[in-house]
Amino acid sequence: NAGVTQTPKFRVLKTGQSMTLLCAQDMNHEYMYWYRQDPGMGLRLIHYSVGEGTTAKGEVPDGYNVSRLKKQNFLLGLESAAPSQTSVYFCASSYRDSLNGGYTFGSGTRLTVV
Amino acid sequence: AQSVTQLDSHVSVSEGTPVLLRCNYSSSYSPSLFWYVQHPNKGLQLLLKYTSAATLVKGINGFEAEFKKSETSFHLTKPSAHMSDAAEYFCVSTSGGYQKVTFGTGTKLQVIP
Repeated sequence: NAGVTQTPKFRVLKTGQSMTLLCAQDMNHEYMYWYRQDPGMGLRLIHYSVGEGTTAKGEVPDGYNVSRLKKQNFLLGLESAAPSQTSVYFCASSYRDSLNGGYTFGSGTRLTVV
Repeated sequence: AQSVTQLDSHVSVSEGTPVLLRCNYSSSYSPSLFWYVQHPNKGLQLLLKYTSAATLVKGINGFEAEFKKSETSFHLTKPSAHMSDAAEYFCVSTSGGYQKVTFGTGTKLQVIP
């Protein structure tokens, strides 16, 4: 039972390059989320999805796109990476009633944009 | 507006002594409150949750937290710190739906042998 799996774990990009981060969950959770974690700022929501084929913007969506073509996968894309996107990215998932169950987090992707 | 304030960015305790990590919240609604722990280079793991049932909540690894509405607090405690407790701890508030999730800025706990 893997829970939430993120790939890759580490990546270095040059400014302007693109990449996709993959999140996969095997718990049949309806909701999935992408967060970024920066020192002293806690976690901030980038985008989220409440079901297959749906996505919505979170607190800091600019510069990112997402897709959820399958219920178990949630992809985060950076079309043209910028140094300000250097961060640790976490994917999370939850059942519909996340207020009671809390989230399950992946182990993170450490991205550096140079 | 919803907010979560973790009053200490760093806490240092000796092994075997009590742990207190402080969290205050503000919310227009009755919130659900969580504590998560993050060990180095790991994801966040749920420690415990409060969802309007008992105000004293027990979690994993001997941690507990008490919801005090009059003080708008949800402090995390443990009677005796272990070296393995060294990590970063996040207080989280949710209210008004899945997108209304607010993370505190985290408290790094150092345990001294």
